[in-house]
Amino acid sequence: EIVMTQSPATLSVSPGERATLSCRASQSVSSNLAWYQQKPGQAPRLLIYGSSTRATGVPARFSGSGSGTEFTLTISSLQSEDFTLYYCQQYNTWPLTFGGGTKVEI
Amino acid sequence: EVQLVQSGAEVKKPGESLKISCKGSGYTFTSHWIGWVRQMPGKGLEWMGIIYPGDSGTRYSPSFQGQVTISADKSISTAYLQWNILKAPDTAMYYCVRVYGSALIWFDYWGQGTLVTVSS
Repeated sequence: EIVMTQSPATLSVSPGERATLSCRASQSVSSNLAWYQQKPGQAPRLLIYGSSTRATGVPARFSGSGSGTEFTLTISSLQSEDFTLYYCQQYNTWPLTFGGGTKVEI
Repeated sequence: EVQLVQSGAEVKKPGESLKISCKGSGYTFTSHWIGWVRQMPGKGLEWMGIIYPGDSGTRYSPSFQGQVTISADKSISTAYLQWNILKAPDTAMYYCVRVYGSALIWFDYWGQGTLVTVSS
């Protein structure tokens, strides 16, 4: 099973600043990585797939990059609604696995 | 508009059985795999398994194989997650997800979640 490790567990930033979230895979997953956002009390929402392709309706301030074992989700200018939880997920190899999450807080 | 509407919260006792549901609409139900994802209280996301409603083919995570059963009734566009014997650690939020793709898959739509509480 591929282990996905997200860092940091908690990221403290100010509104308007840039946030950089990391996701590392225990072995190569090529570009087969997705990012999800989960707000408190809500279901997760797809943000990014294919490492860098934004899902429908996702604002341009969200961008993803990386391949192999190292991936990054960047939020270019944090809005109040962006302070929440983010998960990465690899879909290169069965079983599908998620990272432990990064909480972005003020 | 794609929607996945799940059945309501459940409170059960250890040893009881349970079947929760997820009804899809706004798309061709038999053309997409549907999956289930567990989120234990205060914890992260875990993929449980998927089913292809067109032919009821399934694939399970090894962690959940034999512990749950995923099924679907394409005539009513509904997928199910079933336990024969519930245990306290099954207490969690369960999300159904629509799968995008076939060989390489991710989850493009999520249901609202069904909270399952197992307590004596």
